[in-house]
Amino acid sequence: GENVEQHPSTLSVQEGDSAVIKCTYSDSASNYFPWYKQELGKRPQLIIDIRSNVGEKKDQRIAVTLNKTAKHFSLHITETQPEDSAVYFCAAGAGNQFYFGTGTSLTVIP
Amino acid sequence: NAGVMQNPRHLVRRRGQEARLRCSPMKGHSHVYWYRQLPEEGLKFMVYLQKENIIDESGMPKERFSAEFPKEGPSILRIQQVVRGDSAAYFCASSPQGISGANVLTFGAGSRLTVL
Repeated sequence: GENVEQHPSTLSVQEGDSAVIKCTYSDSASNYFPWYKQELGKRPQLIIDIRSNVGEKKDQRIAVTLNKTAKHFSLHITETQPEDSAVYFCAAGAGNQFYFGTGTSLTVIP
Repeated sequence: NAGVMQNPRHLVRRRGQEARLRCSPMKGHSHVYWYRQLPEEGLKFMVYLQKENIIDESGMPKERFSAEFPKEGPSILRIQQVVRGDSAAYFCASSPQGISGANVLTFGAGSRLTVL
């Protein structure tokens, strides 16, 4: 089955700086890569996703890049704000299945 | 659209009792997934169901755990003879179809099970 690895597990940045979270996957059949944000005690919520026919996607301060050859994808958050503090999960989808990374706890220091 | 509805939000059980967690997918969604999240850990896949069918239960323990998604009514995750290690947040998610299609996975608010 698919194996998704996510790094780093924790990340602290100063407000206004950028944050980058990286994930790798093992199954070349994976073709859908969503990112979820989970605030403390809340449900995971989709913030951005990318499909395997696209190399990069951007939505305001959030961008995701995908390198199919290397089987890795990354989340980039620019101009971070305190409300960006949360746990972020990457996932890889293949067939009818989603496999999640272990999460990155992001803290934005005001 | 009420989104993915899970209940109960919080459930307390004593060791040996049964826990039943319910999930109603978003309107129009026919695919349901259950995930378990231990404190400060990631989302661990348990089971994937479509109406009246279990498609993939490879993440669900073989004993004490079962899931169903009947033709009518919510999906149910059932844990028999609960133990302390079952204490976790159980998230349900639904999608309109498999990931080959418009497959945004929407999560419910979760059911937090505490076993005393």
